[in-house]
Amino acid sequence: DIQMTQSPSSLSASVGDRVTITCRASQRVSTYFNWYQQKPGKAPELLIYAASSLQNGVPSRFSGSGSGTDFTLTISSLQPEDFATYYCQQSYSVPFTFGGGTKVEIK
Amino acid sequence: QVQLRESGPGLVKPSGTLSLTCGVSGASISNDNWWTWVRQSPGKGLEWIGETYHSGTSHLNPSLKSRVIILVDKSQNQFSLNLTSVTAADTAVYYCARGTVLRGVRPLDYWGHGTLVTVSS
Repeated sequence: DIQMTQSPSSLSASVGDRVTITCRASQRVSTYFNWYQQKPGKAPELLIYAASSLQNGVPSRFSGSGSGTDFTLTISSLQPEDFATYYCQQSYSVPFTFGGGTKVEIK
Repeated sequence: QVQLRESGPGLVKPSGTLSLTCGVSGASISNDNWWTWVRQSPGKGLEWIGETYHSGTSHLNPSLKSRVIILVDKSQNQFSLNLTSVTAADTAVYYCARGTVLRGVRPLDYWGHGTLVTVSS
């Protein structure tokens, strides 16, 4: 299985901050890579697919980059509704594993 | 609007079989999608269980493969999950989701609300 390691596991930030979350794959996954946002008690929602493509309806303050083994999710200006847990996922090789999550909390 | 909804028992006895169904509306299960199950143990991260295509082809997580079956029912526009020989470790919120092919990648773009299944006697 391809292991996905996210960092940090949690962070505290203020509204308006620029936030960066990273994810590293244990093997190269090209750009078969996705980011999801999950709020408490809710299902995850797709934010970014193919490493850098913004899902329809997702605000442009979210962006993704990377290829191979190292990927980044950036929130350019954190909004109150962005406090949530973020997960990365590779869809290169079955099983399509997820990272452990990064919880973004209010400072 | 595409909607997925999980249904099934919320309580399963140890060594029993967990059976869930995911009803799909707003899209045909015969479309070019991979119908997927993901679970999340309480307070934990996400675990990909497996996926199936309308042709019957499926891919399963090797860690669960000996206990899992995922089937498609085209007549009812739904798909199902069967997990046998369950233990307390299988207690989780189970999500069904749609895997769609975008730029060659297969992200999960629609999810059900999730259903909590507890394994307990």
